[in-house]
Amino acid sequence: AQSVAQPEDQVNVAEGNPLTVKCTYSVSGNPYLFWYVQYPNRGLQFLLKYITGDNLVKGSYGFEAEFNKSQTSFHLKKPSALVSDSALYFCAVRGSPGGYNKLIFGAGTRLAVHP
Amino acid sequence: GAVVSQHPSRVICKSGTSVKIECRSLDFQATTMFWYRQFPKQSLMLMATSNEGSKATYEQGVEKDKFLINHASLTLSTLTVTSAHPEDSSFYICSARDLGGPQNTIYFGEGSWLTVV
Repeated sequence: AQSVAQPEDQVNVAEGNPLTVKCTYSVSGNPYLFWYVQYPNRGLQFLLKYITGDNLVKGSYGFEAEFNKSQTSFHLKKPSALVSDSALYFCAVRGSPGGYNKLIFGAGTRLAVHP
Repeated sequence: GAVVSQHPSRVICKSGTSVKIECRSLDFQATTMFWYRQFPKQSLMLMATSNEGSKATYEQGVEKDKFLINHASLTLSTLTVTSAHPEDSSFYICSARDLGGPQNTIYFGEGSWLTVV
């Protein structure tokens, strides 16, 4: 069965420093991986996805993620954090081939960027 | 870009009543939409897959008769919480796949807060 793990409940970063939000996955077959961000009381906003191709995926708002097949990871990164990046981040994997676009979400990681 | 709209954004209803939440794809057609619920400080749990013109597919443990889903057109899916109870209070989010968009991106609505009193 597909699953996603986000090992950190919260990540604290100083503004201007690089940030990493971790995600590992378990999936049979080729993984389709996604990152979404959720601001308070709001829905989810798409950041980026990995389907195939380059392992380094660039997305919205300066975020990028690196797909690492050997480590089954898809960590979200940003070279220089902004206070406005503070939000809840979800990693997701697409479900089984029969459940196309049925996303399975990790528990979420709260990112707090301090001025 | 593609937009998914949910209405209402917030609703309060009395126990025992029913409440309907709408999910619309504003500038694209969506043959399939997905309904999630999210409890405070928790992740999103998929409730059901809404299929245009046919019955919804529910996830294990989700009561079909309690969470009625109708997908009558290519741009609208509705979730009706019937005989609502306080434990149904939650944040409900829909998503839709834009088949014509960049690499089949999925878009989420803004979510609907349901409070049952």
